[in-house]
Amino acid sequence: NAGVTQTPKFQVLKTGQSMTLQCAQDMNHEYMSWYRQDPGMGLRLIHYSVGAGITDQGEVPNGYNVSRSTTEDFPLRLLSAAPSQTSVYFCASRMGLWENQPQHFGDGTRLSIL
Amino acid sequence: GQQLNQSPQSMFIQEGEDVSMNCTSSSIFNTWLWYKQDPGEGPVLLIALYKAGELTSNGRLTAQFGITRKDSFLNISASIPSDVGIYFCAGPTTSGTYKYIFGTGTRLKVLA
Repeated sequence: NAGVTQTPKFQVLKTGQSMTLQCAQDMNHEYMSWYRQDPGMGLRLIHYSVGAGITDQGEVPNGYNVSRSTTEDFPLRLLSAAPSQTSVYFCASRMGLWENQPQHFGDGTRLSIL
Repeated sequence: GQQLNQSPQSMFIQEGEDVSMNCTSSSIFNTWLWYKQDPGEGPVLLIALYKAGELTSNGRLTAQFGITRKDSFLNISASIPSDVGIYFCAGPTTSGTYKYIFGTGTRLKVLA
């Protein structure tokens, strides 16, 4: 049981390049989400999904797109990378939709934009 | 909007000491979650609290859901070097849109 798997683990991009961060979970979880973690700021929600075909914005969605074509996968797309998007990105999932269900996190993607 | 403030931001302690940290908010929360993040890894759930006044333990860790529902506390007894990491509190927003917010974290360093 792999849990939540994120790829790649590290990436360096140039400003203006596009990229997709991959996230997959094998627990049949309905809810998936993307966070970014910056020093001293904790984790901030970018986008989330409550099921296949359904996505919504979180706290800091600008510059990012998501889609949820299957229950298992929830990719995060940077259309035109900017230095402000240098961060560590975490994908998370949980079984139910209700907020009191704990989330399971991947190990993160460390992204640097030059 | 809702915010979670964690205190202290960081702490150095000697191995064997007890550790206390807290998480406060100006808003009421119905659930409190405590996560630990080891260096280079994603957060891992330590304890979940679902009821005001609830006291829950997980090994050497004990967490409490504050009576006012605006705070929560995490205690670690007899700290060991592997306790090092960042401890986050988290809770669901009250907007009903399935979102969590996270505190800014308490960074713990244990001196052997």
